[in-house]
Amino acid sequence: KNQVEQSPQSLIILEGKNCTLQCNYTVSPFSNLRWYKQDTGRGPVSLTIMTFSENTKSNGRYTATLDADTKQSSLHITASQLSDSASYICVVQPPFRAGNNRKLIWGLGTSLGVNP
Amino acid sequence: EAQVTQNPRYLITVTGKKLTVTCSQNMNHEYMSWYRQDPGLGLRQIYYSMNVEVTDKGDVPEGYKVSRKEKRNFPLILESPSPNQTSLYFCASSWGGNNQPQHFGDGTRLSIL
Repeated sequence: KNQVEQSPQSLIILEGKNCTLQCNYTVSPFSNLRWYKQDTGRGPVSLTIMTFSENTKSNGRYTATLDADTKQSSLHITASQLSDSASYICVVQPPFRAGNNRKLIWGLGTSLGVNP
Repeated sequence: EAQVTQNPRYLITVTGKKLTVTCSQNMNHEYMSWYRQDPGLGLRQIYYSMNVEVTDKGDVPEGYKVSRKEKRNFPLILESPSPNQTSLYFCASSWGGNNQPQHFGDGTRLSIL
């Protein structure tokens, strides 16, 4: 079982609509939780990083929330645009300790398509 | 412009022919890392480097080598490539502290025939 699971696996919405992507994780404790956006054929780009003590972080139309009690995070996209079509990946970083190389635990991503 | 540059972007080669994928970053980052991305498996770390001359294995290091002789460069070497190394490869860099975002290159798509 993956330590970081995302849902849905894929999603198609109409331009201008809002959507919410989910991330459930079992990594505990953790240092931070990240959301990345990956366009097809490109490298991932960081959207947000939340430490374990934060419960929300925004980056423009992207808002990430974190509930450490239920070990869930969500990424909300407001007023979607065609350029939002991409894979969105949830990543959890365990606390840094000698030997764990600041390891990141990657989810498999949600593929979002935004249609006109 | 701050960036991570990988070369080549695409390569088709044959089994056993040594190849090197270069990675260079211009942000003076201490930490650099190589990943491979395969369908259904997500990103998996191959090797990482905490600073010059400091490298260590990630989750899937078999069949790969790296070096970090300069801060900006972190090449990935496949001494004897095999078809199971056909994949999309990403180099990333970041500052050394916690909670630092990783900056990724645009990827190198390798096909080993």
